[in-house]
Amino acid sequence: DAGVIQSPRHEVTEMGQEVTLRCKPISGHNSLFWYRQTMMRGLELLIYFNNNVPIDDSGMPEDRFSAKMPNASFSTLKIQPSEPRDSAVYFCASSLSRGLRNEQFFGPGTRLTVL
Amino acid sequence: DAKTTQPNSMESNEEEPVHLPCNHSTISGTDYIHWYRQLPSQGPEYVIHGLTSNVNNRMASLAIAEDRKSSTLILHRATLRDAAVYYCILRDGNSGTYKYIFGTGTRLKVLA
Repeated sequence: DAGVIQSPRHEVTEMGQEVTLRCKPISGHNSLFWYRQTMMRGLELLIYFNNNVPIDDSGMPEDRFSAKMPNASFSTLKIQPSEPRDSAVYFCASSLSRGLRNEQFFGPGTRLTVL
Repeated sequence: DAKTTQPNSMESNEEEPVHLPCNHSTISGTDYIHWYRQLPSQGPEYVIHGLTSNVNNRMASLAIAEDRKSSTLILHRATLRDAAVYYCILRDGNSGTYKYIFGTGTRLKVLA
């Protein structure tokens, strides 16, 4: 298996632009998580989906952030408009969440720089 | 969510065992203890998890105190590739939620 795939790996954009981050989870996994990591705040959970349905979006910073999971093999995290404080590494993770099993597998991350 | 406390950093010599502590004094009876690590420039990866009994796998061992208020991740022989940030996380096994709350973790430095 290729693992969790994220694209792009690096994104540099200007303030005010729309940014879309993409994630392909591991085939067969039913949960998908979006995290953000910065030096100041560490690793924060933004939102997670179970069976393509958003379960907990309490970590989404504000209305500028939105996430979708149209099917079991694809998710997007969109920031519109982007701001310099959104600069961070964004990780996507997936897991087979069933009963007591829920080991999360992380992608390589997308490093976002907003100028 | 119950909170965990870990030292900010630790050092170990290569080929020696490493004991990484985690305090979770407010742990509830249904909280599972998970350990993840994050190698430089990578996403976190699963290491081990347990509930009450000590656990072993090919990567590490997890020793859980009898009162479950603390746990220790044991790397039996540290290598340079084990240099990473190690996170101790609690997850409520009864809540039906699968989310983790990552703390600041312990940055492990392995000396050659």
